[in-house]
Amino acid sequence: KNEVEQSPQNLTAQEGEFITINCSYSVGISALHWLQQHPGGGIVSLFMLSSGKKKHGRLIATINIQEKHSSLHITASHPRDSAVYICAVREGYGGATNKLIFGTGTLLAVQP
Amino acid sequence: DSGVTQTPKHLITATGQRVTLRCSPRSGDLSVYWYQQSLDQGLQFLIQYYNGEERAKGNILERFSAQQFPDLHSELNLSSLELGDSALYFCASSRGELAGTSYNEQFFGPGTRLTVL
Repeated sequence: KNEVEQSPQNLTAQEGEFITINCSYSVGISALHWLQQHPGGGIVSLFMLSSGKKKHGRLIATINIQEKHSSLHITASHPRDSAVYICAVREGYGGATNKLIFGTGTLLAVQP
Repeated sequence: DSGVTQTPKHLITATGQRVTLRCSPRSGDLSVYWYQQSLDQGLQFLIQYYNGEERAKGNILERFSAQQFPDLHSELNLSSLELGDSALYFCASSRGELAGTSYNEQFFGPGTRLTVL
């Protein structure tokens, strides 16, 4: 079983729909990242969370440390949101390492 | 543009060869991380350096090595290349080394696509 699980693996939505991608993890973490990877391959960091909720534009990320679960929401989705969304957790507490463990990603296609 | 640069963008080589991938972190960032993304394994952490010193090791093969230089750029050396080493190699950087703070958000470079024939 992977230490970081994402669902769904694939998601197709119509433009304007509200989208939710889920991430569950089984290890102790100090932070969780949501990353976006476009077809060209480049990776962009969307959020880094250690508690609560963050919002940036149409994107919202939440984390529940007790339940070891995070969600990424996209409101009013647009075709340009089509990408792979990757959840990654920073293993451990404090210390001097920022080793990330990655989920397998969610491929999102938003159709016009 | 994350501010992290990687060269080359693409690299095609043959089995048994050795290559060097280069990464320049964002200005002011002291930590550099290397990741491998292959079709069958997804993204995997390879190694982290902080201010010239190795800080953490992940699933890095013995045929691979890395270093961070005094000017903070880093190189990942891959030797005795095999077909299975074909992947995207990403470098990321962050300001410090302490986990769990916004001070340590990682910024990713554009990646180097390595093809081993």
